[in-house]
Amino acid sequence: QVQLQESGPGLVKPSQTLSLTCTVSGGSVSSVGYYWTWIRQHPGKGLEWIGYIYYNGNTFYSPSLKSRVTISEDTSNNQFSLKLTSVTAADTAVYYCGSSHDNNWGGGYFDLWGRGTRVTVSS
Amino acid sequence: EIVMTQSPATLSVSPGERVTLSCRASQNVGSNLAWYQQKPGQAPRLLIYGASTRATGIPARFSGSASGTEFTLTITSLQSEDFAVYYCQQYKNWYTFGQGTKLEIK
Repeated sequence: QVQLQESGPGLVKPSQTLSLTCTVSGGSVSSVGYYWTWIRQHPGKGLEWIGYIYYNGNTFYSPSLKSRVTISEDTSNNQFSLKLTSVTAADTAVYYCGSSHDNNWGGGYFDLWGRGTRVTVSS
Repeated sequence: EIVMTQSPATLSVSPGERVTLSCRASQNVGSNLAWYQQKPGQAPRLLIYGASTRATGIPARFSGSASGTEFTLTITSLQSEDFAVYYCQQYKNWYTFGQGTKLEIK
């Protein structure tokens, strides 16, 4: 059974880069057809899709965050990562890693989620 | 961007009742719609995909339906564990979520 676990700093200073890692256990980031995804939730608010890295390394990002986001994978450690540059208080949120699959209507819905990690942007 | 609008924001209901949650898409998304349940401090859990197909392990009291750009999630005979926040999500054009409907105990 595949499980996901986020890790990274809980506090980031404004203008710096937020870096989070998602460790995949019980499966492989190279498994065919998977979309390894980052989603965030601002305090008391709804959910916002950030982007994903497909199992073959292709990446797709939310248009609103595209200029600041990089998602990459580390196959040797079975992880994928999120980098968000030039953060402001508006980037304070709980960040979830998740996954979808080609079988999920072409990567449409997310049936696996990590527990989330809270990141606060503050000096 | 496709905007998903959920209503109401909060719904107060009693255990055992039937409840219907609404979600409207700003443009046609076909059946590319999912529903999630989120409890405090937890990640969202997939309930419904394809507008009406229950995900693995989801009880039959949860059902989804669609009519044009209007989607509904119905929960019959509410159980105590069903009180949570519910989100809809479209995946027709990238991914956007509604703002959620909180189901609270009356």
